[in-house]
Amino acid sequence: QKEVEQDPGPLSVPEGAIVSLNCTYSNSAFQYFMWYRQYSRKGPELLMYTYSSGNKEDGRFTAQVDKSSKYISLFIRDSQPSDSATYLCAMGGAGSYQLTFGKGTKLSVIP
Amino acid sequence: DAGVTQSPTHLIKTRGQQVTLRCSPKSGHDTVSWYQQALGQGPQFIFQYYEEEERQRGNFPDRFSGHQFPNYSSELNVNALLLGDSALYLCASSPQGAYTEAFFGQGTRLTVV
Repeated sequence: QKEVEQDPGPLSVPEGAIVSLNCTYSNSAFQYFMWYRQYSRKGPELLMYTYSSGNKEDGRFTAQVDKSSKYISLFIRDSQPSDSATYLCAMGGAGSYQLTFGKGTKLSVIP
Repeated sequence: DAGVTQSPTHLIKTRGQQVTLRCSPKSGHDTVSWYQQALGQGPQFIFQYYEEEERQRGNFPDRFSGHQFPNYSSELNVNALLLGDSALYLCASSPQGAYTEAFFGQGTRLTVV
């Protein structure tokens, strides 16, 4: 079993839709949870960073962490064509300096 | 703020050759990590440098080595290149104490033929 599981998609939605992206993990040592957006042929861009269970909101983006279920989500409201990208979840844990990434979910927002 | 810069952007090498990739961290960051991203996969941690020392290493062979300079910039060296080393190599920088808030460069796309 991989430490971080993420459905690779692809996911296609109409403009204005609410998008839900998810990751599950198996390592209970993970304490930091991040979402990155990666456009084609570019490096990942940090979108959201959370430490504890609960919700964190930033504009149209909401990150949700449920440590009891080892499940994290990213919600995108009023999705735009410019949101079309691959979304990567990443996790870090106490005592380790590395980030462990999911495979990424490719999202297309259709005008 | 120039952010994290990597050079070169693209590189083609022959199997068995050696390659050096370079990274300048974001201003104010002193910690540099290197990741390998194969096509369709998430980035895989290679190693992290802090205070010119390798602080942690992922599951990569000794053919992968690195260096950090006093100005915090870093190099990744790969010896005896294999076809399977073809990937996007990403450098990420972070401030000490916030290593999980990693900011990535554009990457170097390495093709081994």
